[in-house]
Amino acid sequence: KQEVTQIPAALSVPEGENLVLNCSFTDSAIYNLQWFRQDPGKGLTSLLLIQSSQREQTSGRLNASLDKSSGRSTLYIAASQPGDSATYLCAEGTYKYIFGTGTRLKVLA
Amino acid sequence: DAGVIQSPRHEVTEMGQEVTLRCKPISGHNSLFWYRQTMMRGLELLIYFNNNVPIDDSGMPEDRFSAKMPNASFSTLKIQPSEPRDSAVYFCASSQRGVGEKLFFGSGTQLSVL
Repeated sequence: KQEVTQIPAALSVPEGENLVLNCSFTDSAIYNLQWFRQDPGKGLTSLLLIQSSQREQTSGRLNASLDKSSGRSTLYIAASQPGDSATYLCAEGTYKYIFGTGTRLKVLA
Repeated sequence: DAGVIQSPRHEVTEMGQEVTLRCKPISGHNSLFWYRQTMMRGLELLIYFNNNVPIDDSGMPEDRFSAKMPNASFSTLKIQPSEPRDSAVYFCASSQRGVGEKLFFGSGTQLSVL
């Protein structure tokens, strides 16, 4: 059974720090990996999509990388801001995405 | 674009009642997904439609759940009869082609079955 694990479950950092969120998956034949952000009481917003033939994607202060051989993806957030506070989820799959349980991030002003 | 639109935002009902959740996907998207999110189980895919046709309903928990997509701009998820364990946030999401595409989520319906 495919599983997606995210560590840590929660993280608090001071504003301005660079941070890394981790996602690991058991499916070696990974197709695509997406990182999402979820604010309390809201839906999910897709941040970055890494397709199977790619190794990383960047958008502004966010960079996501994918290492299929180790079954890991990381989301790097540069110069964190209080507005980055949210839950970050990774999901692996094709159309049938398997979601991790998320990392709750709090950036302190 | 208004994004994926779900209604209602909140639904409180009593056990045994029928519940219908509604979704309007983003115009031009041909894939639609219903997800359920709970603290215990996280996000689970319930059903996936492509071009209005159900492709994978293996995540539908039991016969009390049914979903339809009568046209490209509307889908419903029905629970009948509802039970307290159905309480969760139900999300609808759409994507342009389904495979290898970004998912766009609605704001969800918070369902409470008393």
